[in-house]
Amino acid sequence: DVKVTQSSRYLVKRTGEKVFLECVQDMDHENMFWYRQDPGLGLRLIYFSYDVKMKEKGDIPEGYSVSREKKERFSLILESASTNQTSMYLCASSSFGQMNTEAFFGQGTRLTVV
Amino acid sequence: AQTVTQSQPEMSVQEAETVTLSCTYDTSENNYYLFWYKQPPSRQMILVIRQEAYKQQNATENRFSVNFQKAAKSFSLKISDSQLGDTAMYFCAFMKHIPGANSKLTFGKGITLSVRP
Repeated sequence: DVKVTQSSRYLVKRTGEKVFLECVQDMDHENMFWYRQDPGLGLRLIYFSYDVKMKEKGDIPEGYSVSREKKERFSLILESASTNQTSMYLCASSSFGQMNTEAFFGQGTRLTVV
Repeated sequence: AQTVTQSQPEMSVQEAETVTLSCTYDTSENNYYLFWYKQPPSRQMILVIRQEAYKQQNATENRFSVNFQKAAKSFSLKISDSQLGDTAMYFCAFMKHIPGANSKLTFGKGITLSVRP
């Protein structure tokens, strides 16, 4: 059974804190993604990675950074959390290649910045 | 850049009836994939159905089928015999096919579907 696991379902942090959101997949997927989900805006891509130590900016990378030191783990970092980063964060992974285009998602982390 | 539009924010359907969710997209690509994802209240995003743009035949998965109109750039999802468990948010998504390279999903804003008992 394929699995993408996010470290927390709910998180409350204070403005200015450094926040780490962790994501681990057990499918040996090359690609990993971080999305942000807000009501009325759908899912917006923050960053993605297609290999260890490789990363590319998505549509809304400002205020975020990422780290991928191992193939199975992809971390999203909020260097200095702000209230406008209160949101649902979804991690996903997928395999490289034409026939394996399905993305598998984690259960989401609802982050509140106060 | 690709865009995906879901213009209906909410829909409601009676249990056992059929409902169609709309999606349009804009792209200059010729080879791509389209998806419908379901997100129930548990928040776990699940793939419902997938369509390859080069295939003329509409994809079907049990009670779920699509109407793919490539020229019109339309990709609607039909749910037959609606069940209470179909209550969820549904997202339409697009991914372009890049031979030998990786690509990413672009999502619409989603539609909340409620199935009434």
